[in-house]
Amino acid sequence: AQTVTQSQPEMSVQEAETVTLSCTYDTSENNYYLFWYKQPPSRQMILVIRQEAYKQQNATENRFSVNFQKAAKSFSLKISDSQLGDTAMYFCAFMPYNQGGKLIFGQGTELSVKP
Amino acid sequence: DTAVSQTPKYLVTQMGNDKSIKCEQNLGHDTMYWYKQDSKKFLKIMFSYNNKELIINETVPNRFSPKSPDKAHLNLHINSLELGDSAVYFCASSQDSGALGNTIYFGEGSWLTVV
Repeated sequence: AQTVTQSQPEMSVQEAETVTLSCTYDTSENNYYLFWYKQPPSRQMILVIRQEAYKQQNATENRFSVNFQKAAKSFSLKISDSQLGDTAMYFCAFMPYNQGGKLIFGQGTELSVKP
Repeated sequence: DTAVSQTPKYLVTQMGNDKSIKCEQNLGHDTMYWYKQDSKKFLKIMFSYNNKELIINETVPNRFSPKSPDKAHLNLHINSLELGDSAVYFCASSQDSGALGNTIYFGEGSWLTVV
């Protein structure tokens, strides 16, 4: 079975500092996609960043970047220059190729950015 | 305009009742989904529809019946509500059914409380 594990239930970081959220996954497939979603207190699920497994280059979106290690099945999210608005629950998600768009989520990491 | 909108946002109802949650997307997407987020914030797919056709049914009790009158709408009807059905239900959509790993866009969630 495909699973996603986020081993850090809670993390905190000072404003303007950098924080890394961990994610590992288990699959026997070679083609798949990986995502990080953010869920602020408003409950809205917001896409932060996505990565195609066939691409070796790590995805970046402004202050957000990933460290994708396919062999290790690891997909960590780095947030640089943390802002108060980054306070949220962060979910790592795995999408198998050609399985109806099904997202398999990790348990989430609650991130608090402190002033 | 909200891309994926669902109503109602909050619903409190008694055990045994039947209720529906409606969802509409104006993104022109072909695939729509229902996800459930439980009290521990764990997210799991329930159903997906592609062009009104059921693609994924993730062993959800048959008290839950999705209906897709057209590809822009996916409603969720729940019969004989139980306490364990209390959760946040997210509607979502994507351009395809996952073959290309297109981003899944989520609605704001419908918070169902069964008392």
